[in-house]
Amino acid sequence: SQTIHQWPATLVQPVGSPLSLECTVEGTSNPNLYWYRQAAGRGLQLLFYSVGIGQISSEVPQNLSASRPQDRQFILSSKKLLLSDSGFYLCAWSGLRGTGTFGSGTRLTVV
Amino acid sequence: GQSLEQPSEVTAVEGAIVQINCTYQTSGFYGLSWYQQHDGGAPTFLSYNGLDGLEETGRFSSFLSRSDSYGYLLLQELQMKDSASYFCAVRDPASGAGSYQLTFGKGTKLSVIP
Repeated sequence: SQTIHQWPATLVQPVGSPLSLECTVEGTSNPNLYWYRQAAGRGLQLLFYSVGIGQISSEVPQNLSASRPQDRQFILSSKKLLLSDSGFYLCAWSGLRGTGTFGSGTRLTVV
Repeated sequence: GQSLEQPSEVTAVEGAIVQINCTYQTSGFYGLSWYQQHDGGAPTFLSYNGLDGLEETGRFSSFLSRSDSYGYLLLQELQMKDSASYFCAVRDPASGAGSYQLTFGKGTKLSVIP
């Protein structure tokens, strides 16, 4: 079965500091990978998706970037965090039948 | 573009049946999925409908009508632990990338009361 490892679980970072969130997938090859952000009590906003190594598509203009250095690794980064970057970040894998599997998420608080 | 509409909140009594509706507008369509998310947790996959009709998984069922761009999640014999947010999602092809994105609705917060 497919599993997604995402870390860290929680993170408190000062404004202007860099960010790196990592996600790795097991149990599947060449997965479609996604980064979502969820504000408190809100829905899931798609930030980036990737169909393969080095292939990144951005859904919304923002202060964040993503990279896929390996088939099963997806990284979300920022050079300088903003207060508005606070939220719950989720990495996900999408199967052929829309059977998405999510990582456990990272709750980021920018202070 | 893609958009999904679902009620923001639903309240139901323990032991009852509740239906959460979802209507969608997408540039392409490859199925409707449902996810459950408890407070503080990550979404977990519940069900998928690629074709019209009803899919049943235990106490949960999901229905799809592609001609109406409509689906619903049916929860039977509600339990307190079913209190959570429920999201519908469509899998549709992203332009030019060959990727099949999951686009989510804003979620329905279900509160089960005694």
